[in-house]
Amino acid sequence: ETGVTQSPTHLIKTRGQQVTLRCSSQSGHNTVSWYQQALGQGPQFIFQYYREEENGRGNFPPRFSGLQFPNYSSELNVNALELDDSALYLCASSREGRGNEQFFGPGTRLTVL
Amino acid sequence: KNQVEQSPQSLIILEGKNCTLQCNYTVSPFSNLRWYKQDTGRGPVSLTIMTFSENTKSNGRYTATLDADTKQSSLHITASQLSDSASYICVVGDMKTSYDKVIFGPGTSLSVIP
Repeated sequence: ETGVTQSPTHLIKTRGQQVTLRCSSQSGHNTVSWYQQALGQGPQFIFQYYREEENGRGNFPPRFSGLQFPNYSSELNVNALELDDSALYLCASSREGRGNEQFFGPGTRLTVL
Repeated sequence: KNQVEQSPQSLIILEGKNCTLQCNYTVSPFSNLRWYKQDTGRGPVSLTIMTFSENTKSNGRYTATLDADTKQSSLHITASQLSDSASYICVVGDMKTSYDKVIFGPGTSLSVIP
């Protein structure tokens, strides 16, 4: 176990709906990264939060947004859900700085019908 | 074209045998190269992390090598066990960004059979 938790474990939504996924980072970690992993593929970087600010973003549209709270936990919000948003959403926490190990949570499996 | 490619896409080996997984990358400059193990439906777990100046790193039965000149890495698994069945993902840190951006490969799916 990495100490990174995510909720919920599974989620089923319909097209057009909105969803919020949550992540609690490991103690001592102030950086949280979010990834989308489609079936059979590697994780794709969505964005990274450091000290409550987004400090990096991948190639995802604005309907993917996030927050980081003072306790370094984080939320991923997705608006106007599309069928292709069905995936495993992973969050990873790490200490600030380059090259530090990222510790992943178990993921949230989102299914959009 | 993906910046991190892995081969083979999938592999089946007998329990007790060794295997080697390959990773080629074009990320440049890169900060480090990591290998992760991911069980189905779970988050990835780190196996090794190597900086650009390291050639090899071991973690139990897992040994990773890195050739920064040819931009290639390999992960060698010795005396495979049934619990080694998982996806193995090569991850490269991108130095071009101001933050710690990492790029994941597609993974190699390993099945160890009795």
